[in-house]
Amino acid sequence: GAGVSQSPRYKVAKRGQDVALRCDPISGHVSLFWYQQALGQGPEFLTYFQNEAQLDKSGLPSDRFFAERPEGSVSTLKIQRTQQEDSAVYLCASSLDYYGYTFGSGTRLTVV
Amino acid sequence: QKEVERDPGPLSVPEGAIVSLNCTYSNSAFQYFMWYRQYSRKGPELLMYTYSSGNKEDGRFTAQVDKSSKYISLFIRDSQPSDSATYLCAVNSGNTPLVFGKGTRLSVIA
Repeated sequence: GAGVSQSPRYKVAKRGQDVALRCDPISGHVSLFWYQQALGQGPEFLTYFQNEAQLDKSGLPSDRFFAERPEGSVSTLKIQRTQQEDSAVYLCASSLDYYGYTFGSGTRLTVV
Repeated sequence: QKEVERDPGPLSVPEGAIVSLNCTYSNSAFQYFMWYRQYSRKGPELLMYTYSSGNKEDGRFTAQVDKSSKYISLFIRDSQPSDSATYLCAVNSGNTPLVFGKGTRLSVIA
């Protein structure tokens, strides 16, 4: 497709529930990034893939967060046993180079 | 200290004003300097990027980097209501993920 597609756009989860957020990057983009954006804040780095290899997961806040990109295209960010502090917008971006990230519109997660 | 800090906002200016947005960063290894624009309920979109120090102009927008003082700026001339958005500075060292500042919300009043 023409852009980065994320689904769902909105997700409401009960505390303790597991969620899975999907990202479809731009075709041919080898690099894929996940960021977390709290209200009124800038995006915070979570993890980075080059093709199917997860090269950096230093930003994942806890072992409840897990990301995968098994075939080097679509990626899924999974959050287990969601907590209220996980409420945020989760942004996915793909890129061909070091600076030209194309972001999706994000998934707004609300944990109640 | 966060790696990227931005001047406090939000900013509200009249249409036609010149807007100055600024960030400072702490790591001298950063080589790429970007400005992203984010409209409400949308993802950030790349506005401009600069490699190393210097100025770059694109229409009404000018990006400026001063590596000696670790200071990056974005100037918007003849601001329009459609420029109303959150502006995010971002930096990286080339082979590392982008580090974003907190963002400055700009409102241009017609």
